[in-house]
Amino acid sequence: EAQVTQNPRYLITVTGKKLTVTCSQNMNHEYMSWYRQDPGLGLRQIYYSMNVEVTDKGDVPEGYKVSRKEKRNFPLILESPSPNQTSLYFCASSPLPVGELFFGEGSRLTVL
Amino acid sequence: RKEVEQDPGPFNVPEGATVAFNCTYSNSASQSFFWYRQDCRKEPKLLMSVYSSGNEDGRFTAQLNRASQYISLLIRDSKLSDSATYLCVVNSLNNDMRFGAGTRLTVKP
Repeated sequence: EAQVTQNPRYLITVTGKKLTVTCSQNMNHEYMSWYRQDPGLGLRQIYYSMNVEVTDKGDVPEGYKVSRKEKRNFPLILESPSPNQTSLYFCASSPLPVGELFFGEGSRLTVL
Repeated sequence: RKEVEQDPGPFNVPEGATVAFNCTYSNSASQSFFWYRQDCRKEPKLLMSVYSSGNEDGRFTAQLNRASQYISLLIRDSKLSDSATYLCVVNSLNNDMRFGAGTRLTVKP
């Protein structure tokens, strides 16, 4: 089954404790992207990647890192999480040129 | 000014009603346009792409007006199951996808 898988789906953590949200897709898509969704603000892009070893900042990259060592994986790293990073996070992938985005089920992160 | 703007709603309509959403975008270089549907606490899913000539899929019709830089979504004969948030998405030449904040629709019996 074609899918984008995110883990963990739910996480409560404390300020400053490094965490990684994994994202994996099995569709051989070149494009992958991370978004955060907050009430009233819609989806905002954090980082995206056009292919292996190619990553670019989106609209809200501060406080986040990503890597794209393999085509299928695109982890999101929060080196020192803060409460303002409490949000719902979505990973998505697409073939190029970017058309339909396939989303993971989302990861709800709470930073205390 | 946001790059993609939508009326947040909520739109509360009775079953069987026709409802229309509009979305405006600021980047005249935008190339492709989409409507996504998002159910509460779930991931967005593609509802339909929007083509220059307009397109229809069952009860759903999408239209694009490049001159005025807006796209629209029309839902006819609304069903209870249409209740969701509808996201307008615009893609520019460099594959930069921009999302609107979404319009919430509630269809009531």
